[in-house]
Formats: sequence, structure tokens, C-alpha cells
Amino acid sequence: DAGITQSPRHKVTETGTPVTLRCHQTENHRYMYWYRQDPGHGLRLIHYSYGVKDTDKGEVSDGYSVSRSKTEDFLLTLESATSSQTSVYFCAISESIQGAGEKLFFGSGTQLSVL
Amino acid sequence: GENVEQHPSTLSVQEGDSAVIKCTYSDSASNYFPWYKQELGKRPQLIIDIRSNVGEKKDQRIAVTLNKTAKHFSLHITETQPEDSAVYFCAASLARQLTFGSGTQLTVLP
Repeated sequence: DAGITQSPRHKVTETGTPVTLRCHQTENHRYMYWYRQDPGHGLRLIHYSYGVKDTDKGEVSDGYSVSRSKTEDFLLTLESATSSQTSVYFCAISESIQGAGEKLFFGSGTQLSVL
Repeated sequence: GENVEQHPSTLSVQEGDSAVIKCTYSDSASNYFPWYKQELGKRPQLIIDIRSNVGEKKDQRIAVTLNKTAKHFSLHITETQPEDSAVYFCAASLARQLTFGSGTQLTVLP
């Protein structure tokens, strides 16, 4: 299995504060993704990256920004957290050499609560 | 963008019976269709996938079928076991993005 670590695993924060979640991989994969998981919605793509300093928006990107200054690290920032951003956040890497978006391997997730 | 619908949202079967989960997608350009299994409190894990140039794929007790004309694909689990109980997600890939269905909670009753 690929090496992918998310931190923190759990976080409680207050409305209006900025929050940064970190995803670290040891596999040198090019493609990395941030998803959020909410009951009844499955997994929804927030942002993704196809290389250092190359990122793009997913379907639920409002209120989130990302940065990728090194291949191994992909950061997700909630600029001003709101209660609607309470969710489980999963980072993923694409293990496929054939195409992006294929054979995603997920991290263990971060449970974020915004009070 | 792509839209994936998944049915049913919950499914209960007796141990040893088969289970079928169905998904439809909206964009005919989607070309890759994986299925993920997520146990309670765990990460989603890839269990099987199929490309648009293949109609069916099997791996032991699980199989996936794809009908490109109708834009739907299905997961079949035979001889279900208690450890098959989990949430299953289908997904479709378009332009480097993977769009997921809303999930099916499968319960295998002893």
C-alpha cells in the first residue's frame, strides 16, 4: 500500500478561524486529491493537484484553498471555517500510471468539527 | 460535470445470497468506473474497477458490468459473507476527476 498520512486526525475549531489540513505521501505520486465526506453525499471533490504548484478546483471548492509546494505535501486550507464545513476530509493519491483519477488510495481521514 | 446516481441506498441480504448495486452516470465521455468499499470508521478502499472498453470484469466473488449505451454499471457480489457488510461507492472518471455516487449500505444478515 502507498504511504499517505493525514494530519491532524481530529480537530475542533471555532467559526471564523482558519484551518489547515495536511496530506503527506511517500510514494512520489503526481496526482493528489482532497475530498469531503458527508452523510447522503458520498465523497465530493474539493480540489486536486497534478503536480507541484499545479492545482484545480473540484465540485465543492468554495471556501477552500490548496497549496502544493513539494511533491509529497498537499495542504487544504479553510480560510474562515463555517459550520457547514464540519465533515470528514480525505486526501487521496492516484496510484495509476495510466491516468489521473484512477486507482485512488485514500488516507485515514480527518474529522473536522466547526463549532 | 459528471453526475453519478447510485441505488439502492440500503440493502440487506441473507448470508450466502447475492447482492447487486446499480449506478448510472451522465457524461458519455467518462471512461473509468471503480467501486470502493468503506467499513465503519475506515478509509474507502478500491475493490474492483472497469474501463469503458470492457463490458464485464470479475474478481473472485465480485464482478462489475458496464453498459455504455445505457450509461449504467453494476456491482455484483455472490455468496455474501458477514465481512461484506460495509458502504459501497461507485464512481465515474472524467477529465482527471473522479465523481462518486452517494453510497449503498450493505448489511449481510447471518
